[in-house]
Amino acid sequence: DTGVSQDPRHKITKRGQNVTFRCDPISEHNRLYWYRQTLGQGPEFLTYFQNEAQLEKSRLLSDRFSAERPKGSFSTLEIQRTEQGDSAMYLCASSYQWLGSEAFFGQGTRLTVV
Amino acid sequence: DAKTTQPPSMDCAEGRAANLPCNHSTISGNEYVYWYRQIHSQGPQYIIHGLKNNETNEMASLIITEDRKSSTLILPHATLRDTAVYYCIVRVEGADGLTFGKGTHLIIQP
Repeated sequence: DTGVSQDPRHKITKRGQNVTFRCDPISEHNRLYWYRQTLGQGPEFLTYFQNEAQLEKSRLLSDRFSAERPKGSFSTLEIQRTEQGDSAMYLCASSYQWLGSEAFFGQGTRLTVV
Repeated sequence: DAKTTQPPSMDCAEGRAANLPCNHSTISGNEYVYWYRQIHSQGPQYIIHGLKNNETNEMASLIITEDRKSSTLILPHATLRDTAVYYCIVRVEGADGLTFGKGTHLIIQP
């Protein structure tokens, strides 16, 4: 399968714990995006990388959120000191920079903070 | 990115054409119209995009009005598997992330 892969698919954590999600993009894609989706809403853009450079991070929800893409391949999204309001689906997508900028999304990681 | 307006929900009979409207009256000259859909519990799926001309691919057709202030996504022969939330998005090609609204929940009736 050469699609976007996210791990884990589901995560239940206690409030105050740190969590980390992983995204493996389509290998030829140089752009990688992170989104958050809450119930009944469309996905909300958080941040993106072009290769290993993080080009936009002002939309990360708070300083508890951080993302990395150390070698320009897979990426991780970390949430520190989780809160109940962080419960959501976290989606990853990848694309070429141009070529119609068609983004391919993964299945997402559903986070539940209890 | 320009704002879009879509009806919250629509029904369509199986086998008929589903026509999903989108208003984007503040669209700029270099902004493209993109359509994505999201089937329950899955990530969004790209459908089609266009700038000025009408576009067609194996999934759908995109009709953009001459003034580019609105567009229609057409699924020519809707099936039950087309039941999903459909998002209309306008953005500059190559720009950063997509701005999703609430979309249109399309329900295909048997």
